[in-house]
Amino acid sequence: DAGVIQSPRHEVTEMGQEVTLRCKPISGHDYLFWYRQTMMRGLELLIYFNNNVPIDDSGMPEDRFSAKMPNASFSTLKIQPSEPRDSAVYFCASSLRGFADGYTFGSGTRLTVV
Amino acid sequence: AQTVTQSQPEMSVQEAETVTLSCTYDTSENNYYLFWYKQPPSRQMILVIRQEAYKQQNATENRFSVNFQKAAKSFSLKISDSQLGDTAMYFCAFSDPGYALNFGKGTSLLVTP
Repeated sequence: DAGVIQSPRHEVTEMGQEVTLRCKPISGHDYLFWYRQTMMRGLELLIYFNNNVPIDDSGMPEDRFSAKMPNASFSTLKIQPSEPRDSAVYFCASSLRGFADGYTFGSGTRLTVV
Repeated sequence: AQTVTQSQPEMSVQEAETVTLSCTYDTSENNYYLFWYKQPPSRQMILVIRQEAYKQQNATENRFSVNFQKAAKSFSLKISDSQLGDTAMYFCAFSDPGYALNFGKGTSLLVTP
């Protein structure tokens, strides 16, 4: 298996632009998680899905953030409009059984909003 | 909310030596899971070791082992025979049924020749 695949690896965008981050989980994994990593706040859970259904989005910082999982093999995290404070590394992770298993993380997307 | 505390922001160890990274957590649950993740400069998050709270035996993976003290809510990671490739950020993480992984702020480990 190729693991969790995220794209792009790096993204630089101007403030106010729309940004879309993409994730392909490991086949057969029922859980998908989006995390954000910053120096100040560490790793924060943004949202997670179980069987393509959003379960907990309480970590989504603002209405500017939205996430979708249209099928078991694809998820997106969208920021519109983007702001400089959104600059961070965004990780996608998937898990077979959820909380009992460790997660397999993608390589992350480093987002820079200028 | 569950909290995970890593009290050592930075640590250093010489190659071939042993180092222990500390982690404490707070929960009222009895059934939960604990993990250590490694994040090298490549930024990839790599699962190092996993512990189930209801198991008394400490988990071990090659040179990595944990000291799990449930009553003290402590979960430390011991790295034996440290190697240069062990240089990384190490994150302690906690999960219980119904909640996603909650991470500590991390410990930066430098292995020196």
